[in-house]
Amino acid sequence: DTGVSQDPRHKITKRGQNVTFRCDPISEHNRLYWYRQTLGQGPEFLTYFQNEAQLEKSRLLSDRFSAERPKGSFSTLEIQRTEQGDSAMYLCASCQGGGGQPQHFGDGTRLSIL
Amino acid sequence: GESVGLHLPTLSVQEGDNSIINCAYSNSASDYFIWYKQESGKGPQFIIDIRSNMDKRQGQRVTVLLNKTVKHLSLQIAATQPGDSAVYFCAEKGAGGTSYGKLTFGQGTILTVHP
Repeated sequence: DTGVSQDPRHKITKRGQNVTFRCDPISEHNRLYWYRQTLGQGPEFLTYFQNEAQLEKSRLLSDRFSAERPKGSFSTLEIQRTEQGDSAMYLCASCQGGGGQPQHFGDGTRLSIL
Repeated sequence: GESVGLHLPTLSVQEGDNSIINCAYSNSASDYFIWYKQESGKGPQFIIDIRSNMDKRQGQRVTVLLNKTVKHLSLQIAATQPGDSAVYFCAEKGAGGTSYGKLTFGQGTILTVHP
């Protein structure tokens, strides 16, 4: 499978714990995006990487959230001190080149906070 | 499975009918638009895209129409099949260097195809 891969698919944790998600984009894609999706809504942009550089962060991304893409390949999204409101589907997407290319999404990580 | 779309618009059609899903976008400066299909428990799947210098684009069984005057986008699916049942989202990309290609998604429409 050469699509976008996300791990884990599901994560259940207690409030206050830290969680980390991983995204492996399509190999030749230099652009990587994280989105968050809650029930009944479309995905909302969180952050963007071009190669290893994090170039944009949404105001939705509080200081408890951090994302990295250390070698310009896979990316991680960490949430510290999780809260009930963090429960959502976290989606990763990648694309190649300029902004006129379609983003291809992974199947997401569903986070549930107990 | 995932219960997506508690308050989303819905469209029910019979198998073999044509479906039209509509979307109003917000940013008149957006220069690129995409339609995605999302099935329960999965991520959005790319269907078709269109740039703002076009008003129509066709794919396999799908056509996207763009009306920039009224900021309206539509997705037409020909000969709809049960496998087309899903939530459909339109997304727009703002123009300009600071947008970095991030997408803003519309509300979504639930399409149900009855055999």
